[in-house]
Amino acid sequence: NAGVTQTPKFQVLKTGQSMTLQCAQDMNHNSMYWYRQDPGMGLRLIYYSASEGTTDKGEVPNGYNVSRLNKREFSLRLESAAPSQTSVYFCASSEHGARYNEQFFGPGTRLTVL
Amino acid sequence: DAKTTQPPSMDCAEGRAANLPCNHSTISGNEYVYWYRQIHSQGPQYIIHGLKNNETNEMASLIITEDRKSSTLILPHATLRDTAVYYCIVSRRGGADGLTFGKGTHLIIQP
Repeated sequence: NAGVTQTPKFQVLKTGQSMTLQCAQDMNHNSMYWYRQDPGMGLRLIYYSASEGTTDKGEVPNGYNVSRLNKREFSLRLESAAPSQTSVYFCASSEHGARYNEQFFGPGTRLTVL
Repeated sequence: DAKTTQPPSMDCAEGRAANLPCNHSTISGNEYVYWYRQIHSQGPQYIIHGLKNNETNEMASLIITEDRKSSTLILPHATLRDTAVYYCIVSRRGGADGLTFGKGTHLIIQP
């Protein structure tokens, strides 16, 4: 089991460019999440998907869009990148309805916007 | 979800027990206490959770006070690999609609 995988690991963008961060999980989990982590801070929720076909906003959704492509994959898109979106992005998954909803995290994508 | 308060940093000698405190004075009756840790900018890792009773697993023990307003995570025999940021999180649904992370406690294990 690979768990939660994220691509790319690193990315540098210029202001105004767009890109999509990819996330996939092989644990057959229903729920998936995107967080961002700025230096010295805890993670903040961007969007989540409780099940295939549904998505909901988190704490900091502005400037992002998401797609739950299927049960395995959940992508995060930056349409017009800004320097304020320089951050480390983590994807996570969990089994919705499980007793305690332990979340499993990917290794992160380190994004720099110049 | 209730807010939590943790010390920003702590030191512990290798081989000793590391005791990490967390205050959650506004916790509701149906909210669980969760602990995650993040080693050197990797993705966070689940450690343990509890509601009212003390809990133990292969990684750690969780002690929750009787009034549930605070808790302590115990790593019984800390190793250098336990150096990490530890997050105490209170959540009603285990984070089904996302987890709220604070800044956590940076635990440094000294050789």
